Amino acid sequence: DQQVKQNSPSLSVQEGRISILNCDYTNSMFDYFLWYKKYPAEGPTFLISISSIKDKNEDGRFTVFLNKSAKHLSLHIVPSQPGDSAVYFCAAWNYGGSQGNLIFGKGTKLSVKP
Amino acid sequence: DTEVTQTPKHLVMGMTNKKSLKCEQHMGHRAMYWYKQKAKKPPELMFVYSYEKLSINESVPSRFSPECPNSSLLNLHLHALQPEDSALYLCASSHLPETGNSPLHFGNGTRLTVT
Repeated sequence: DQQVKQNSPSLSVQEGRISILNCDYTNSMFDYFLWYKKYPAEGPTFLISISSIKDKNEDGRFTVFLNKSAKHLSLHIVPSQPGDSAVYFCAAWNYGGSQGNLIFGKGTKLSVKP
Repeated sequence: DTEVTQTPKHLVMGMTNKKSLKCEQHMGHRAMYWYKQKAKKPPELMFVYSYEKLSINESVPSRFSPECPNSSLLNLHLHALQPEDSALYLCASSHLPETGNSPLHFGNGTRLTVT
């Protein structure tokens, strides 16, 4: 059963416009969420995170919004650039005693067209 | 450049071979991870080490054997693999959760092909 869901496998956006990537989760115990970007033949690169005590976190062109009641988060990229074309993974930190790990969504492939 | 270094980048091995994947980080992280990623799928956790001790094993077959010789190094020993084990193997490290929320930092992975 998927605990982190990204229901859009792909998204195409024009350069300069806003990209909005969505993510839903089912486990209300999750309290730390992250977005990663992945290019082919590379490992995932950490982009931005948010703790459940916040509803928004911003870093340059990237903003993550968290709606705890809806168990939903989104990543906004504005303005989008062709170099942003990659697969974006939403992840939630899953605590297990003194240790934990990340649970990933299936990813959304973003294509930014010049 | 990634701060987590994985070698080799590519590996082709037969089903009777023994090989090892290596991972190194110098960020002072005391948690290290092995993930496996198949094409068009998300990374899936295999093992977690905390303070050089195995703390999570996600029911991984014994043909995969992890080892953490010290706080900077993580190995994955491979023996008698199957073709379906072909995948991208990702190493990651992080601060421990007890020190606060911390992202995982990933290496670029080893692309493994089992023939």
